[in-house]
Amino acid sequence: DGGITQSPKYLFRKEGQNVTLSCEQNLNHDAMYWYRQDPGQGLRLIYYSQIVNDFQKGDIAEGYSVSREKKESFPLTVTSAQKNPTAFYLCASSEDRRPYEQYFGPGTRLTVT
Amino acid sequence: SQQGEEDPQALSIQEGENATMNCSYKTSINNLQWYRQNSGRGLVHLILIRSNEREKHSGRLRVTLDTSKKSSSLLITASRAADTASYFCATESGAGSYQLTFGKGTKLSVIP
Repeated sequence: DGGITQSPKYLFRKEGQNVTLSCEQNLNHDAMYWYRQDPGQGLRLIYYSQIVNDFQKGDIAEGYSVSREKKESFPLTVTSAQKNPTAFYLCASSEDRRPYEQYFGPGTRLTVT
Repeated sequence: SQQGEEDPQALSIQEGENATMNCSYKTSINNLQWYRQNSGRGLVHLILIRSNEREKHSGRLRVTLDTSKKSSSLLITASRAADTASYFCATESGAGSYQLTFGKGTKLSVIP
């Protein structure tokens, strides 16, 4: 089955620790995205990548970092500099051509205490 | 920045009724997409309408687009309890932009 996997589904961390969220896709998509969703809110773009070894900041990149060493993988690190990291994180991918219909993973719910 | 704004924020209807959700946006677009999100899950793409289209159908879904008013509507006919979810519009804007801009969503509850 083609799709996007995110792991783990739930993640708990202590304040001050960095944490890395996994995102893998086997859709052969060039573009990948990370979003943050807070309760009752829409999606806000953290980072996106159009091609391997290249990525761009989205609207709320501060306190986050990413890498894109392989086409299939786009991990997100939530650093201790992120002031309010507790949220639902969604990874998505799309083909590298219009229209950019996005395919989403199941999400990771991160709780930092 | 969020461009799409859905209206209403929440909608509760009886099974079998039609549900209409609206989306307004601010700048010119290439296309507008609607997504569904079941509670605690990822988003699923429902339907896309291009800027040169006015209406599109897919099963029980009907989408309209009025670029002069910068608005779109999603109609779900003969709703089912399984349609209970949040619905988001997302706009794809200008040249060179890979980004979709999502609204805050409409939470639809279909009561059996």
